Amino acid sequence: DTGVSQNPRHKITKRGQNVTFRCDPISEHNRLYWYRQTLGQGPEFLTYFQNEAQLEKSRLLSDRFSAERPKGSFSTLEIQRTEQGDSAMYLCASSFLHRDGYTFGSGTRLTVV
Amino acid sequence: EDQVTQSPEALRLQEGESSSLNCSYTVSGLRGLFWYRQDPGKGPEFLFTLYSAGEEKEKERLKATLTKKESFLHITAPKPEDSATYLCAVQPYRYYFGNEKLTFGTGTRLTIIP
Repeated sequence: DTGVSQNPRHKITKRGQNVTFRCDPISEHNRLYWYRQTLGQGPEFLTYFQNEAQLEKSRLLSDRFSAERPKGSFSTLEIQRTEQGDSAMYLCASSFLHRDGYTFGSGTRLTVV
Repeated sequence: EDQVTQSPEALRLQEGESSSLNCSYTVSGLRGLFWYRQDPGKGPEFLFTLYSAGEEKEKERLKATLTKKESFLHITAPKPEDSATYLCAVQPYRYYFGNEKLTFGTGTRLTIIP
């Protein structure tokens, strides 16, 4: 595995439902990031893990959002009580050192109907 | 608040017609400036990191340069496969542990016409 893997690729959910996304980073990378991207915009930072510790969270990450990275390997991002405004591409990225530049996954596209 | 502004929003070039994309930024202290390429429906693909004014990096037909206020991505003799959205991002330097956030611009959508 040479890349960052995200599942599912697409998710359609009804408003008010909970959704969970998974990210498998490059195995030797200790840093993991979640970003959100809407159409025509650049990615917006959500949160960052170094190993299993969540070290930074954006103000964008409301109480309905939670992220985990158990054992410093894969990560999950959960959105509770989804709203239409949550519709976006959710991108995961990983790196070993900040100087390397992130490696992004292909993202999970969420549509809330 | 860190800010990144990219121009133009969209650019159409004939194959072989060289041009430059601009990224203007404001950040209290720059740790790094990143360029990414993004194809439709995919995640951004890392191109370059620049750390200090005067630095330049090249990859195939792309060359990135950095000043204290802006960065340019020069595209020389582009081919249709260079068509993509090019994103610029800054990483600030903060005196506290754990700051890894990138602030992205909205990108320049580049189309190369055969």
